[in-house]
Amino acid sequence: ELKVEQNPLFLSMQEGKNYTIYCNYSTTSDRLYWYRQDPGKSLESLFVLLSNGAVKQEGRLMASLDTKARLSTLHITAAVHDLSATYFCAVDIPRGSQGNLIFGKGTKLSVKP
Amino acid sequence: KAGVTQTPRYLIKTRGQQVTLSCSPISGHRSVSWYQQTPGQGLQFLFEYFSETQRNKGNFPGRFSGRQFSNSRSEMNVSTLELGDSALYLCASSFGETVVETQYFGPGTRLLVL
Repeated sequence: ELKVEQNPLFLSMQEGKNYTIYCNYSTTSDRLYWYRQDPGKSLESLFVLLSNGAVKQEGRLMASLDTKARLSTLHITAAVHDLSATYFCAVDIPRGSQGNLIFGKGTKLSVKP
Repeated sequence: KAGVTQTPRYLIKTRGQQVTLSCSPISGHRSVSWYQQTPGQGLQFLFEYFSETQRNKGNFPGRFSGRQFSNSRSEMNVSTLELGDSALYLCASSFGETVVETQYFGPGTRLLVL
């Protein structure tokens, strides 16, 4: 059974600080997704990582993928309040067709002034 | 370009009733996936439809069913509702033609079962 584990599940940061969210998964997959969810809202796609060593950056967020270690990281640089949200990583079930994501529990990020 | 739309946005039902939720994908998208989100279990995959055919199914009981129409709109149905079915139900759409695509999520339908 494919499992996706995120840590930490809760993260309280001060503005201006850096931190990393970790996403481990239990079986082979070459596709990893990061989503953001604001309270009461739907999921917003942040990154799609497709191969070992993939790194993508958007603003203060940078995501990377190590398929050999089955690990993805989401690094936050100089956090600002607007980044407060819940962040999910998700992995495709490797059956050759998509639309079948297994999500981590999510990391609830709170950025305080 | 209009995003994924879901109706209704909120729904209150009682145990034993059934419910139908609707999802209209982004124009041109043929894949629609459904997910259930609860505080305890998180986000769980229900099923995926592509060109009116169920292509993948998650580990949910048979009370959960779905279908997709020729215009790619999808409905999911839950029969004999239980308290534990209270959740946010999200649908997501994509072109569905390759394994490497981003899914775009709708705003969700929040279902409360009393």
